[in-house]
Amino acid sequence: GDSVTQMEGPVTLSEEAFLTINCTYTATGYPSLFWYVQYPGEGLQLLLKATKADDKGSNKGFEATYRKETTSFHLEKGSVQVSDSAVYFCALSDYGNNRLAFGKGNQVVVIP
Amino acid sequence: SQTIHQWPATLVQPVGSPLSLECTVEGTSNPNLYWYRQAAGRGLQLLFYSVGIGQISSEVPQNLSASRPQDRQFILSSKKLLLSDSGFYLCAWTSRAVYTEAFFGQGTRLTVV
Repeated sequence: GDSVTQMEGPVTLSEEAFLTINCTYTATGYPSLFWYVQYPGEGLQLLLKATKADDKGSNKGFEATYRKETTSFHLEKGSVQVSDSAVYFCALSDYGNNRLAFGKGNQVVVIP
Repeated sequence: SQTIHQWPATLVQPVGSPLSLECTVEGTSNPNLYWYRQAAGRGLQLLFYSVGIGQISSEVPQNLSASRPQDRQFILSSKKLLLSDSGFYLCAWTSRAVYTEAFFGQGTRLTVV
């Protein structure tokens, strides 16, 4: 079945540092890929998405490129801010499937 | 525009008491509806999803049930809460179109004491 794997453990980094969160997926078809962000005590918000291979999703300085050859959708931001502290989830939606598959999420803590 | 409402925002319930969480969607028709649970420090666990009125699929056998009495209403229930039911519950919807993202409610923080 469809699945998403995110790198283990929280990510702690200093303000203005470069952020990368790895995400790889397994799917039988041609999925759409998503990154969601969850701020403390809130629901999930869509951060960015890509619907086909080589598409790049971007929003608020975050980027992720749909790499079919490596089945990956890594999230990057060049210079993080304290306000980027949140939990980030990678997810996929496959054709004909009624539900999204989510990764386990990564807690990101940005220190001033 | 579409909106999703989920309530209550927080709830403290004693063990053995009943539960009812409600979720409604506005601005769309025939959505797919979902209930997720997020335990502290963990990822999302899909509990139930529904593709139409009265159609409920359960992902994990447990102490909870779900119902969809109207097209845009999704209810999560329990007859007797357990301590292990504590967590953050999220309702979400997707459209019937393919390759669509999910839209989430603000969540309900449930503490069973």
